[in-house]
Amino acid sequence: SQQGEEDPQALSIQEGENATMNCSYKTSINNLQWYRQNSGRGLVHLILIRSNEREKHSGRLRVTLDTSKKSSSLLITASRAADTASYFCATVLIQGAQKLVFGQGTRLTINP
Amino acid sequence: GAGVSQSPSNKVTEKGKDVELRCDPISGHTALYWYRQSLGQGLEFLIYFQGNSAPDKSGLPSDRFSAERTGGSVSTLTIQRTQQEDSAVYLCASSFPQNEKLFFGSGTQLSVL
Repeated sequence: SQQGEEDPQALSIQEGENATMNCSYKTSINNLQWYRQNSGRGLVHLILIRSNEREKHSGRLRVTLDTSKKSSSLLITASRAADTASYFCATVLIQGAQKLVFGQGTRLTINP
Repeated sequence: GAGVSQSPSNKVTEKGKDVELRCDPISGHTALYWYRQSLGQGLEFLIYFQGNSAPDKSGLPSDRFSAERTGGSVSTLTIQRTQQEDSAVYLCASSFPQNEKLFFGSGTQLSVL
């Protein structure tokens, strides 16, 4: 089963609004990463947050991490049509296999 | 090269045929991943190479799937006796250091008829 689960599966908002996506995971992690996929092909790395960090910012992106709840959120502020894409969280476990495991993703649609 | 390169970008094959998918990672990247993505779904982990360590093959769905990485660089994913359920986009990614930011190729769309 997937380590990370995104919520919601799909989100549709108006341009200019903020978009929030959530990711929950099951076991302790080393880091958590968010990626964007525009066209069903290659993914693009957005941001990485380590287990000892609680919040990170990158431009219009804000990521939070709550290790006690085993969850993370990605906030996109002032959304644009170009933000329409699928967003995936990925986790690296502390123990066991040191590989990056992806969730099922959130499909975000920004309506003009 | 400047990025991760995958070839071919599209492959159409007949059921029962063997296929080889190639991935050229970014020079110097020691970690290389293969993932599979069916239409509208998430990424399914297949295999992970890290330097000279034994690869993590725990995600390969059957013994028809195999992968190798020669000289710590180029990787080939081989699917023998392809089945229709193998149809998907196969994505390769590399990183350095391991498990930090992954750089993805554009993928190979495999269609098994």
